[in-house]
Formats: sequence, C-alpha cells, structure tokens
Amino acid sequence: DAEITQSPRHKITETGRQVTLACHQTWNHNNMFWYRQDLGHGLRLIHYSYGVHDTNKGEVSDGYSVSRSNTEDLPLTLESAASSQTSVYFCASSDRLSNSPLHFGNGTRLTVT
Amino acid sequence: SQKIEQNSEALNIQEGKTATLTCNYTNYSPAYLQWYRQDPGRGPVFLLLIRENEKEKRKERLKVTFDTTLKQSLFHITASQPADSATYLCALDSSGSGNTGKLIFGQGTTLQVKP
Repeated sequence: DAEITQSPRHKITETGRQVTLACHQTWNHNNMFWYRQDLGHGLRLIHYSYGVHDTNKGEVSDGYSVSRSNTEDLPLTLESAASSQTSVYFCASSDRLSNSPLHFGNGTRLTVT
Repeated sequence: SQKIEQNSEALNIQEGKTATLTCNYTNYSPAYLQWYRQDPGRGPVFLLLIRENEKEKRKERLKVTFDTTLKQSLFHITASQPADSATYLCALDSSGSGNTGKLIFGQGTTLQVKP
C-alpha cells in the first residue's frame, strides 16, 4: 500500500543546530506540504511543493527551508533551531487535482532545548 | 485572510447519540470543505469532502452539511461509538478559487464518546 513516512518520530536538539526532518511518500503525488501543529494554533503551513524543483513559502516559513529533488521526498531543514520551533511537524501529500485530500504522515515531535 | 473556527471545547456525548460538530469560516465561501479525523500521536486522516454546490454528503454513519449563507459546515456522527473518540478538523482551500490545493485547518474539536 502507498504511504507517507516521516523520520525521525522524535528528535531533541539544541538551540542553534541545523536539523533536517525527512518525508518520503510512495503515492507518486505531485503536491507535498509541511505543517506544524501547536496547541492553540492548529495546523499551520510551513512550505509546499507542486512538483520536482518547485518550492513555495507558506504561512510560517521563517527559519525553515525545503528542497524537492525527486517526486518522493521533501525534507524540511531548520537552519538554526530555536525554542519557538519546538512543535509537532507533519508532512502531507496530495494529487495534482485542486480538491484532492491530503495524506499525512504520523509526524515528528521536535524539541529544541 | 480566511479564518476557520471550530469549537475548541471538548464535546462529550453518550454512546449511541448523535455528535454534531461545527465549522465556521469568516470570509469568502470556499469551493469545497474537507473534514479530517486525528487520533493522539497520529497524523490527520481524510474523512469527507463537500463541494459548495452540495448541501449534504453522507458516508456510512457520517454526514456533512454545507451552508454557504451561514458560512458554516456541520459534521454529524450518528449512533456514536467510543471508537469515534478523536479530534475532528475541518479544512478548506486557502484561496477563494479553491484551486491551490493548500489547505488551512481549524483547530479541531475533540469528541469523547462515553460507553
């Protein structure tokens, strides 16, 4: 069965370190998204991609970057981790159709100390 | 910008009753609206999509309504079971045209079904 996997599931890092969260999907979807989920804010869009070599900023992109070198992967990099980036991060993918549902991974819980 | 409001208070109901969750949006009427279920420690899972020209959509014990005049969607679970306990999120496209594929989400309503 097709799936979307995120790794690691849990990560603890120190302030100022660079961190990369992995996302891999086998749906062959063109669209991929990164969200963060925090109490009181719900899911907020960080970055998204509509295809290989395409990346776009979302609502809360400061301090984050992504790259899309193939269809399956959209790694999320925190350039210099800050305590405000402690959160649960979800990757999602969808078909190219505009009303397609999102398929989510099970998240990465990141703690920045 | 578009905002989505869901009741942040948990909804507690007895098994067998109908649960009704509310999703309100503030600005333009979206081309479609989606509902997701999220269990603790897991990612959201898609449940239903309803388009602006549809008043109601059903799937097994689930029913979604869409009222563009009230700017509201209602999500119903009939004959609720303890296994329905979860957080339910509504989502819609971030643009009025509904064609970006980028979804914005409400904060979700947590449903607790007691046996």
